[in-house]
Amino acid sequence: ETGVTQSPTHLIKTRGQQVTLRCSSQSGHNTVSWYQQALGQGPQFIFQYYREEENGRGNFPPRFSGLQFPNYSSELNVNALELDDSALYLCASSPGGPDSFQQYFGPGTRLTVT
Amino acid sequence: TQLLEQSPQFLSIQEGENLTVYCNSSSVFSSLQWYRQEPGEGPVLLVTVVTGGEVKKLKRLTFQFGDARKDSSLHITAAQPGDTGLYLCAGARLEDMRFGAGTRLTVKP
Repeated sequence: ETGVTQSPTHLIKTRGQQVTLRCSSQSGHNTVSWYQQALGQGPQFIFQYYREEENGRGNFPPRFSGLQFPNYSSELNVNALELDDSALYLCASSPGGPDSFQQYFGPGTRLTVT
Repeated sequence: TQLLEQSPQFLSIQEGENLTVYCNSSSVFSSLQWYRQEPGEGPVLLVTVVTGGEVKKLKRLTFQFGDARKDSSLHITAAQPGDTGLYLCAGARLEDMRFGAGTRLTVKP
């Protein structure tokens, strides 16, 4: 059974640019959540996708957007990057729908905005 | 202010010692999870507790969920250097999952 994978592992972008991060969920998991983890902090919930629809959203501006595909893989898009967007971006997949918070995390994408 | 407050923030102990870390909130959660995170990796789920007052044991780790489902503790017996890491608690609500800032544990040989 393949776990959650994320790409790329590291990324450097310039302020104002746009970025797309990718996540392949664990086999059989239909729910994907995205988190932002700043250095020295716990993960902050960005949003969750269930069956290709956004199912919940944290306190992040609209320039953070996402997609979930029919195979349950997902993308996180961030427009107009700001320096404070530098963080580890984590994707987590869950079996059993949005009520199941039994989450399995990927290794993350480390984004640096200069 | 974090919805979930973890204490202590940092803990450095000798191998063989016991320790307890705490996760407190004024909110009620439907479930609470504990994770361990190594540098450069995603959090790894250790346990989920669902029922108020529930106690779960995982080898040398004991997890307890408060009766009111607002707080939790993690107790490690006879800590080993392999226990070193960032311990995160996370509370599930209808609308989201909230994490604490974590307790960074270092166990010295």
